[in-house]
Amino acid sequence: NAGVTQTPKFQVLKTGQSMTLQCAQDMNHEYMSWYRQDPGMGLRLIHYSVGAGITDQGEVPNGYNVSRSTTEDFPLRLLSAAPSQTSVYFCASSDDRGLSLSGANVLTFGAGSRLTVL
Amino acid sequence: KNEVEQSPQNLTAQEGEFITINCSYSVGISALHWLQQHPGGGIVSLFMLSSGKKKHGRLIATINIQEKHSSLHITASHPRDSAVYICAVLPTSGTYKYIFGTGTRLKVLA
Repeated sequence: NAGVTQTPKFQVLKTGQSMTLQCAQDMNHEYMSWYRQDPGMGLRLIHYSVGAGITDQGEVPNGYNVSRSTTEDFPLRLLSAAPSQTSVYFCASSDDRGLSLSGANVLTFGAGSRLTVL
Repeated sequence: KNEVEQSPQNLTAQEGEFITINCSYSVGISALHWLQQHPGGGIVSLFMLSSGKKKHGRLIATINIQEKHSSLHITASHPRDSAVYICAVLPTSGTYKYIFGTGTRLKVLA
């Protein structure tokens, strides 16, 4: 099925460890983004990309790194995990910034990745 | 002050009731999405609005661009509608940076 695939769904890390959250979409969407969701707060943008080879920082980029070598993939790297990075992470993709002349909903989220840093 | 405010934060309703969730924002926008998140689940976009009104089944979404306000209505609510509803706006700033409300937690009792 077409959509956004995130892996892993669950991960426990120790402080200082590094890891990569994978995100892949098969809808040929230009725009991809990573968010974190914490209790009592709205989704916060970590990094985003408007196309292969182009990335930019969001609201909370510190401690995270991204790259976009292909249209399909947008991995999020935690360089040295900290307890403050315990969160649920969502990857999302959209075409033309989420706008569609047909009115179709083209903002698509992955199922989420729950990360715990001890 | 948050740029996107939702009300109420929590809502409990009896099955069959008409429900309204509100979203107010303070920036100029290109589009507004209403998202649904079931407990422990992923996030699904229900509607994308840039003007007027949209309807899908028992769900109706409206937006007033001049007043910077949108509402999501659920008619004949059902326990399966229990979820968190999130308003997300895309500012006209030209960057791809959605701003999200903190969500409205809806519980529909049978």
